[in-house]
Amino acid sequence: AQKVTQAQTEISVVEKEDVTLDCVYETRDTTYYLFWYKQPPSGELVFLIRRNSFDEQNEISGRYSWNFQKSTSSFNFTITASQVVDSAVYFCAPYGNNRLAFGKGNQVVVIP
Amino acid sequence: EADIYQTPRYLVIGTGKKITLECSQTMGHDKMYWYQQDPGMELHLIHYSYGVNSTEKGDLSSESTVSRIRTEHFPLTLESARPSHTSQYLCASKRTGGDTEAFFGQGTRLTVV
Repeated sequence: AQKVTQAQTEISVVEKEDVTLDCVYETRDTTYYLFWYKQPPSGELVFLIRRNSFDEQNEISGRYSWNFQKSTSSFNFTITASQVVDSAVYFCAPYGNNRLAFGKGNQVVVIP
Repeated sequence: EADIYQTPRYLVIGTGKKITLECSQTMGHDKMYWYQQDPGMELHLIHYSYGVNSTEKGDLSSESTVSRIRTEHFPLTLESARPSHTSQYLCASKRTGGDTEAFFGQGTRLTVV
């Protein structure tokens, strides 16, 4: 069975601090893709980044960076120098078995 | 910018009414999905489609039904709405391929009174 775990439910940071979100995906699949989505208070889901399971190199795109640790099936997603507009729920969503599954999400609150 | 649209955005309806939530995409995506999300909770897959005339039930049991007669259109129907159906319903589409992201509509917030 596949299982997506986002352990931290709510994270509060002061503006300009970095915030790191963790996602653990347990699966028998050896290759897969994992996506991060942001859901602001307005409710729509916005695609942020994708990552495959066979590349452990860190990647950076603007203020977002992420890496994958194969040994623990752990995907870490970091927002650098957080801004108030980053306040949202962030979902880790692996794609497998022809469907996108979602973790419980991390509520990020950026305090001005 | 995603070209996937859901109507209505908000709907308040009485118990026992039949409703159809509309979802359309203009990207030519084969795969389409319906998710249900209660406030502050994760998304649960209730229906998906691989293409025209293909529909499958998702992980969460739902009393709703779907159809896929045209590639761009994936409506969800509730024959008899109940208060337990009160939720947000999100439609998504994606191209075939594990590395392609899904695009989401703005959602329909349904309240059954």
